[in-house]
Amino acid sequence: RKEVEQDPGPFNVPEGATVAFNCTYSNSASQSFFWYRQDCRKEPKLLMSVYSSGNEDGRFTAQLNRASQYISLLIRDSKLSDSATYLCVVNMWGFQKLVFGTGTRLLVSP
Amino acid sequence: NAGVTQTPKFQVLKTGQSMTLQCAQDMNHNSMYWYRQDPGMGLRLIYYSASEGTTDKGEVPNGYNVSRLNKREFSLRLESAAPSQTSVYFCASSEHGGQNEQYFGPGTRLTVT
Repeated sequence: RKEVEQDPGPFNVPEGATVAFNCTYSNSASQSFFWYRQDCRKEPKLLMSVYSSGNEDGRFTAQLNRASQYISLLIRDSKLSDSATYLCVVNMWGFQKLVFGTGTRLLVSP
Repeated sequence: NAGVTQTPKFQVLKTGQSMTLQCAQDMNHNSMYWYRQDPGMGLRLIYYSASEGTTDKGEVPNGYNVSRLNKREFSLRLESAAPSQTSVYFCASSEHGGQNEQYFGPGTRLTVT
């Protein structure tokens, strides 16, 4: 089983739609969780950290479910500029590295 | 602050040639990383340096060497390039190991013919 798994998509949604991505992780010892955004031919950029209590940043909401070992990202009122690949990232306690999922591609159309 | 910088942005090598990819960060981060990204494979860790003076292998270290020159700089060397090393290479840094988010450089697009 992969350490971090994501649906590759693409998710095709119209502007204004709400879309959600899930990501599952295999190691219950994981402690830190992040969502990154990567535009075509660009570097990954941190979108938001994911906290145990869930957190929101504008139109973006991240949730963590430790019991089921998944994190989610909800995007409300999608914009054309949200079109990108979203990477789920997980760390295990005591480890010096992050594990990246292969990403979920989102395409927002007019 | 420039964040994480990488040079060169693009490079074409012939099989067997060598080259060094340079990375520098100005955020006073302790940990630095080298990844490669191939279509459909996601980011794969080549080497990392948890702190100045230490380096460790990642998931795909074969064919590469690294040097943590100082706290700011972390270089990746290909001693004898092979077509399988055609990829996009990203350098990243974080404040302290895996607990913190990583910040990425703009990448180096390498083609080996």
